Amino acid sequence: GAGVSQSPRYKVAKRGQDVALRCDPISGHVSLFWYQQALGQGPEFLTYFQNEAQLDKSGLPSDRFFAERPEGSVSTLKIQRTQQEDSAVYLCASSLGRINTIYFGEGSWLTVV
Amino acid sequence: AQSVTQLGSHVSVSEGALVLLRCNYSSSVPPYLFWYVQYPNQGLQLLLKYTTGATLVKGINGFEAEFKKSETSFHLTKPSAHMSDAAEYFCAVRSSPGGTSYGKLTFGQGTILTVHP
Repeated sequence: GAGVSQSPRYKVAKRGQDVALRCDPISGHVSLFWYQQALGQGPEFLTYFQNEAQLDKSGLPSDRFFAERPEGSVSTLKIQRTQQEDSAVYLCASSLGRINTIYFGEGSWLTVV
Repeated sequence: AQSVTQLGSHVSVSEGALVLLRCNYSSSVPPYLFWYVQYPNQGLQLLLKYTTGATLVKGINGFEAEFKKSETSFHLTKPSAHMSDAAEYFCAVRSSPGGTSYGKLTFGQGTILTVHP
């Protein structure tokens, strides 16, 4: 596609519910990043994929967060047993390779009530 | 380790006035530096970037930034503000990819720019 596409754009979850956020990177992009942006804050790194390999998951805040990219294209960020502190915008980004420009999607806005 | 500090969480200017958004970084290796803009309810859009070469870089919408290694700064400027410039601006640092580094972006806290008529 022309840009990084994320879905759903908006999600309201009840506390304790599981959610799944999808990211379609730009076609052919090898690198894929997930970031979390809390209200009034800058984006914070969650995890990084190179093709299907998850090379860095040091930013995932707890074992309730899980990300995958099984075929090296579409990625899913899953949050189990959501808590109020998980409310944030989840940004997906991709780039052609390590040295190339990183492009961001419009984000998935998660509100946990 | 990398970090970014944006001085001033809010900046307010009049339309037509100079815009100056400050960014200082910390990096143990030569950095790549970026400015992104975020409009309400939208994702991040790249304004400009510095990787190597000329230290004064020009971006979209009339913005430019200068990399000053001695000051570890990468301030964003625009000579004349326009109402459409009102948004949140993020400075980011990325370690030069190579070896095991994949070039993760580290962001500052953001600066909200308000433009008054």
